[in-house]
Amino acid sequence: GENVEQHPSTLSVQEGDSAVIKCTYSDSASNYFPWYKQELGKRPQLIIDIRSNVGEKKDQRIAVTLNKTAKHFSLHITETQPEDSAVYFCAAFNDYKLSFGAGTTVTVRA
Amino acid sequence: NAGVMQNPRHLVRRRGQEARLRCSPMKGHSHVYWYRQLPEEGLKFMVYLQKENIIDESGMPKERFSAEFPKEGPSILRIQQVVRGDSAAYFCASSPPGQGYGYTFGSGTRLTVV
Repeated sequence: GENVEQHPSTLSVQEGDSAVIKCTYSDSASNYFPWYKQELGKRPQLIIDIRSNVGEKKDQRIAVTLNKTAKHFSLHITETQPEDSAVYFCAAFNDYKLSFGAGTTVTVRA
Repeated sequence: NAGVMQNPRHLVRRRGQEARLRCSPMKGHSHVYWYRQLPEEGLKFMVYLQKENIIDESGMPKERFSAEFPKEGPSILRIQQVVRGDSAAYFCASSPPGQGYGYTFGSGTRLTVV
């Protein structure tokens, strides 16, 4: 089955700086890569996604890149704000199943 | 559209009791997925169901856990004879027929076994 690894597990950044989270996946058949943000005690919320026929996607301060050859994808958050503090999960979709990374706890210091 | 509805939000059970978790998918969604999230961990796939069919239960523990999605009514995740290690957040997600891109998660049920 698919195995998704996510790094780092924790990330502390100064407000206004950028945050980068990296993920790798194992199954070359995976074709869709969403990113979720989860605040304490709440559901995972989709923040951005990318499909395997696209190399990069941007939505305001958030961008995702995908390297299919190397089987890795990354989330970039620019100009971080305190409300960006949360746990972020990457995932890889194959057939019908989403496989998640272990999560990155992002803390934005004011 | 009310989204994916899960209930109860919080459930406390004593060791040995049964836990029943319910999930009503979004209107128009016929695929239901259950995931478990242990404290400070990621989400682990448990089971994928369509109406009256279990498609993939490869993530379900072999004993005590079962799931169903009847023709009428919500999907049910049942845990019999709960143990402390079952304490976790259980999330349900649904997607439209024919694709998985439209995954939407419910608010989850937080099960505490005392």
